[in-house]
Amino acid sequence: KAGVTQTPRYLIKTRGQQVTLSCSPISGHRSVSWYQQTPGQGLQFLFEYFSETQRNKGNFPGRFSGRQFSNSRSEMNVSTLELGDSALYLCASSLVESIGAGEAFFGQGTRLTVV
Amino acid sequence: AQSVTQLDSQVPVFEEAPVELRCNYSSSVSVYLFWYVQYPNQGLQLLLKYLSGSTLVKGINGFEAEFNKSQTSFHLRKPSVHISDTAEYFCAVSRLGEKLTFGTGTRLTIIP
Repeated sequence: KAGVTQTPRYLIKTRGQQVTLSCSPISGHRSVSWYQQTPGQGLQFLFEYFSETQRNKGNFPGRFSGRQFSNSRSEMNVSTLELGDSALYLCASSLVESIGAGEAFFGQGTRLTVV
Repeated sequence: AQSVTQLDSQVPVFEEAPVELRCNYSSSVSVYLFWYVQYPNQGLQLLLKYLSGSTLVKGINGFEAEFNKSQTSFHLRKPSVHISDTAEYFCAVSRLGEKLTFGTGTRLTIIP
């Protein structure tokens, strides 16, 4: 059974550009969450989706957005990139409706570097 | 909102010695508790979880944790560590319908 797949693994972007990250959950999982991990802030929650609906949203500016498709795949987009957006972006999927109520399976992450 | 405190940012331990990684949470209602491990350049992997029932929870790789409601703690233990246990460990808390909230992590270093 394939795990959570995040693409790309590594990305280098310039300030002001935008970026789209992709996450394919484990087959059958309909709940997807995104986290930003940095050395200074640790793991910060971005959003959670279930069946194409955003269920929860973290305290990030509107430049951060996401969506989930009917096949449960999810994308997150960051517009007008800033140096501080450099981070490891992790996606997690879960079989249960609320990712906080069950086991979350994480992908290997996308390492975004903004220069 | 719930929060998690991991009291030690770094823990060095000799190989084959026991280890305890401390985690305290703050919430006035029932919570779910988790320990995740992150190896270098990897995502997070679930070690164990407490949802309800027995307060002693056994996980993978020989780890276990005990839920203590009166002390609001969920400390992670292993009786004998191995070099391969070198990693960062995260405690997390959640409630039904809510996000996972992670602690700041504890870096476990095993000394040969």
